[in-house]
Amino acid sequence: EPEVTQTPSHQVTQMGQEVILRCVPISNHLYFYWYRQILGQKVEFLVSFYNNEISEKSEIFDDQFSVERPDGSNFTLKIRSTKLEDSAMYFCASSQLGGVLAGAYEQYFGPGTRLTVT
Amino acid sequence: KNQVEQSPQSLIILEGKNCTLQCNYTVSPFSNLRWYKQDTGRGPVSLTIMTFSENTKSNGRYTATLDADTKQSSLHITASQLSDSASYICVVSAAGGSYIPTFGRGTSLIVHP
Repeated sequence: EPEVTQTPSHQVTQMGQEVILRCVPISNHLYFYWYRQILGQKVEFLVSFYNNEISEKSEIFDDQFSVERPDGSNFTLKIRSTKLEDSAMYFCASSQLGGVLAGAYEQYFGPGTRLTVT
Repeated sequence: KNQVEQSPQSLIILEGKNCTLQCNYTVSPFSNLRWYKQDTGRGPVSLTIMTFSENTKSNGRYTATLDADTKQSSLHITASQLSDSASYICVVSAAGGSYIPTFGRGTSLIVHP
């Protein structure tokens, strides 16, 4: 069964450094998402991406964050100048369609990347 | 402000028993409501998706209900198994303009043998 994969599973970085989290969405999916979950808290939406551009982003997704689909398979989240409060589990997800059709299509989540900023 | 509240926060039941988890939301206008199961340290897995016109959706031993008038949903788990131990998350998305989903904090379910 196709699945979303994420690398690395755990990333430790120093405050102020840049990190890139990688995701390989399911191959025939067109919408891609990033979420984060701070330990013990609820999952929070960061951004959705379609047709090589951001379709929606939350207030959390400020200039520190960027997303990119550098090739036909990978989807990346870059966090510039990491802060202690960026420590969280970051989940990538994908769906066949989204936007106005979001209600009809399942989102498939990856296993997550645990980011620890020291 | 869009909010999703889940209850109880945690629940302990014996294997084989049934249970019901609750979700109340203030998201408006409503687009869809999803229930996810999240095992510790893993990504959420979709259980059910309901749109405005649906009031019941089943997936095996999981049955979700939706009352769009009272803005309430429930997830009923029948004949619980040890593998049902997880966090169950209710997620509601708005319609029109923004489809950013609002997540609940989840109900932590522990099934004991």
